[in-house]
Amino acid sequence: DGGITQSPKYLFRKEGQNVTLSCEQNLNHDAMYWYRQDPGQGLRLIYYSQIVNDFQKGDIAEGYSVSREKKESFPLTVTSAQKNPTAFYLCASSIQIVGEQYFGPGTRLTVT
Amino acid sequence: AQSVTQLDSQVPVFEEAPVELRCNYSSSVSVYLFWYVQYPNQGLQLLLKYLSGSTLVKGINGFEAEFNKSQTSFHLRKPSVHISDTAEYFCAVGRNSGGSNYKLTFGKGTLLTVNP
Repeated sequence: DGGITQSPKYLFRKEGQNVTLSCEQNLNHDAMYWYRQDPGQGLRLIYYSQIVNDFQKGDIAEGYSVSREKKESFPLTVTSAQKNPTAFYLCASSIQIVGEQYFGPGTRLTVT
Repeated sequence: AQSVTQLDSQVPVFEEAPVELRCNYSSSVSVYLFWYVQYPNQGLQLLLKYLSGSTLVKGINGFEAEFNKSQTSFHLRKPSVHISDTAEYFCAVGRNSGGSNYKLTFGKGTLLTVNP
């Protein structure tokens, strides 16, 4: 089955630690995205990538970093510089021209 | 820049009643429009989309939406809801122009609660 996988489902970290969230897709999509979701705020775009080895900042990139070394993978690192990292993180992908995005199941990150 | 406004943050309804979730957008160029549904602690699932053509779009689970260009709206409707429709619904708009049409802007969501 084609789709997007995110792991782990739940992640707990201590404040001051960097943490990397995994996102893998086997849909052969060129574009991939990371969103952050907080209650009542909808989805906010962190980073996106149109092709391998290229990515752009979204609306709330500060304190986050990404890489796109393979078409299938787009990991997100939440660094210690992110002031409020506790949130639900969603990864998505799309065929570039159409714009419809397919979402993974999400990772809930809790930092204490 | 484009923006999306979902006019109701919460909509409570009784089972088998009709429902309308409202969405307005602003954009200086033509757009693609989407409705997604999210069940608790899950990712988003596409309900329906408007890319071009007929302004009345039918989606999964009996939902439909109508694109109204003059009112810049894309309201989601269902004639009779079920308990299982309880979820959060997101409207999203993408630019139909040049190389930027892969970016979507999402509304803040509408929580639909269906009561027995």
